[in-house]
Amino acid sequence: EPEVTQTPSHQVTQMGQEVILRCVPISNHLYFYWYRQILGQKVEFLVSFYNNEISEKSEIFDDQFSVERPDGSNFTLKIRSTKLEDSAMYFCASSEVSTYYGYTFGSGTRLTVV
Amino acid sequence: AQSVTQLGSHVSVSEGALVLLRCNYSSSVPPYLFWYVQYPNQGLQLLLKYTSAATLVKGINGFEAEFKKSETSFHLTKPSAHMSDAAEYFCAVSGLWGSSASKIIFGSGTRLSIRP
Repeated sequence: EPEVTQTPSHQVTQMGQEVILRCVPISNHLYFYWYRQILGQKVEFLVSFYNNEISEKSEIFDDQFSVERPDGSNFTLKIRSTKLEDSAMYFCASSEVSTYYGYTFGSGTRLTVV
Repeated sequence: AQSVTQLGSHVSVSEGALVLLRCNYSSSVPPYLFWYVQYPNQGLQLLLKYTSAATLVKGINGFEAEFKKSETSFHLTKPSAHMSDAAEYFCAVSGLWGSSASKIIFGSGTRLSIRP
C-alpha cells in the first residue's frame, strides 16, 4: 500500500533555530497538507497546498512557517525561528482528490524545541 | 464553519463488549465525515468515511459508523472489542470537495481502553 513518508521521525532543536520537516507524499496525489498535534491535544490543520501554491492556511501558520515543493516528490515545512510552543508532532498528509477519499497521513515528525 | 465534538475523552470497555464512540458534527455544507485511529507513537489511519452515499459505513477492523443527519451524529461502533483496538480515535469533518470548507477538521479525540 502506498505510504506518505516523513523524515526525520524525531528532531530536537534549540529555540530560535530553523527546522525543515520533510515529507514524500504518495506519487499520484495532488493535494498536500500539514497538521500538528501538541502532546495530548487535538490534531490541528496548518496548511493545504495544491498546484504549487498554498490553498488555505490556519491562524497557526504565521510568517514563521513556510511550505515548499522543491521537486516532484518532496513537500517540506519550514519553521524559521522555532519557539518552545512549536514542540509537537507534525503530520504530513496527501490526497488524490481533496477530501473525498480522506487523507493518507505519514507517521509524523516529533519536534522538540529546547 | 465546521466542527466535530467527541463526547468522552476516554472510554473503557471490556474485551468482547460493544464499543461506542460518540461524535456530533456541525457543518454549514453537506459534510464528509471520517473516523481515524492513532495507535501509540504512530500516525493517523483512516478507519472509515461517509461521503453522502450509504448512511451506514463499514470500515476496517470490524468498525462501522452511521450518519444520522437529524441528530448530526456519526457514532463509531464495533460489536465486540479486542485488545488490539486500544488506541486514540478521532472523528473528523470536511465540506464537499471544491468548497471553501474542504479541509479536514478533527475532533479532540477519544482514547479507547480495553479491559481484559
